[in-house]
Amino acid sequence: QITLRESGPTVVKPAETVTLTCTFSGFSLTAPGEGVAWMRQAPGKAPEWLGMIYWDDDKRYSKSLRSRLTITRDISNHQVVLTVTNVGLDDRGTYFCAHSESGNTHGMWYVIRFASWGPGTPVTVSS
Amino acid sequence: DIQLTQSPSYVSASVGESVTITCRASEDISSSLVWYQQKPGHAPKLLIYSASTLQSGVSSRFSGSGSRREFTLTIVRLQPDDFASYFCQQFRSSPYTFGQGTRVEI
Repeated sequence: QITLRESGPTVVKPAETVTLTCTFSGFSLTAPGEGVAWMRQAPGKAPEWLGMIYWDDDKRYSKSLRSRLTITRDISNHQVVLTVTNVGLDDRGTYFCAHSESGNTHGMWYVIRFASWGPGTPVTVSS
Repeated sequence: DIQLTQSPSYVSASVGESVTITCRASEDISSSLVWYQQKPGHAPKLLIYSASTLQSGVSSRFSGSGSRREFTLTIVRLQPDDFASYFCQQFRSSPYTFGQGTRVEI
């Protein structure tokens, strides 16, 4: 059974850096096809994909947030860490991590689904 | 970035009825589309992947169809537990964008 759980500070001051951790179990992040993605969701809005890290340590980021996001992994502790710098009011919301599964066709890898999500962790920006 | 446009944004239906939600992509995404159900305070739940494959454990009352630029999610015989928000997401190319959502209400 695959499980994920996000953790981190609930309140962050404007312009500070927030670090969120996704602790997972039930899969190996070094196995081909595996990955962990980060999304966030403002109240009443659709989820927003932020970025993800793949089994080979490749990373992809949202173009609009690329300069402020960093995703890293700690394989031994089964964790993926999202760092968001220079936090502002637009960064408020619930942050989710999800297990990503990719398939391979003709030597090309492509994401198939985010089947398992963590429950999310809320982030408020306030001085 | 690939844009996904869902319609309608809101639909009102009764228990036992059927509902169809559409997701249109700004470019050809083949079958690289998934559908989620989300209830307030919870994470999205995967219903359909690869446009039409039912995720394990999901009721067969949910079905997905379409390819390239137009996709639909159909829910038949609506149950009280189905009243929620529904989102599509594309995996054709990064960034893996979401539709804006459809709320299904009683």
